[in-house]
Amino acid sequence: DGGITQSPKYLFRKEGQNVTLSCEQNLNHDAMYWYRQDPGQGLRLIYYSQIVNDFQKGDIAEGYSVSREKKESFPLTVTSAQKNPTAFYLCASTVDRGGNEQFFGPGTRLTVL
Amino acid sequence: AQSVTQLGSHVSVSEGALVLLRCNYSSSVPPYLFWYVQYPNQGLQLLLKYTTGATLVKGINGFEAEFKKSETSFHLTKPSAHMSDAAEYFCAVRGGLAGGSYIPTFGRGTSLIVHP
Repeated sequence: DGGITQSPKYLFRKEGQNVTLSCEQNLNHDAMYWYRQDPGQGLRLIYYSQIVNDFQKGDIAEGYSVSREKKESFPLTVTSAQKNPTAFYLCASTVDRGGNEQFFGPGTRLTVL
Repeated sequence: AQSVTQLGSHVSVSEGALVLLRCNYSSSVPPYLFWYVQYPNQGLQLLLKYTTGATLVKGINGFEAEFKKSETSFHLTKPSAHMSDAAEYFCAVRGGLAGGSYIPTFGRGTSLIVHP
């Protein structure tokens, strides 16, 4: 079955550590996105990528970094510069850049201890 | 600029009652509109979408929504609520062009509570 996988499901990090969240898709979609979700705040866009080796900052990119070396993969690194990283992180993809529906992964819950 | 307003962060209904979740949008381009559902600790799943054509759109799990351009609305309805409908619902609109791409704009979500 085609879809998006995110790993791990739960992640714990000590303050001052960088951590990388994995996102893989086998839908052959061009575009991929990272969102952060906090209670009552909906989805906030961190980064997005429309093609390999290219990505754009979203609304809350500070303290995060991404790469897009392969079409299928779009990992997100939460750096120590992110002051409040505890949140639920969602990866999504769309078939192209035309504004069609997004397909979401199951999410990763990051907790900073 | 694009925006989405979901009226009511929480909506409570009895099992078997009508479900109505409200969504109003603004868009500077012809709107594509979406409703997604999210169960606890899971990703979002598409319920239904409007792009062009028929303004009454039917989705999964018995949900439907009507695009009303004059009212800039895309409210989600279901005739009879089930306990399994309890979840968070998000309305989204195709966003404006940024770097040659349409980036969606999401509402803040409405939590649907279903009482037995």
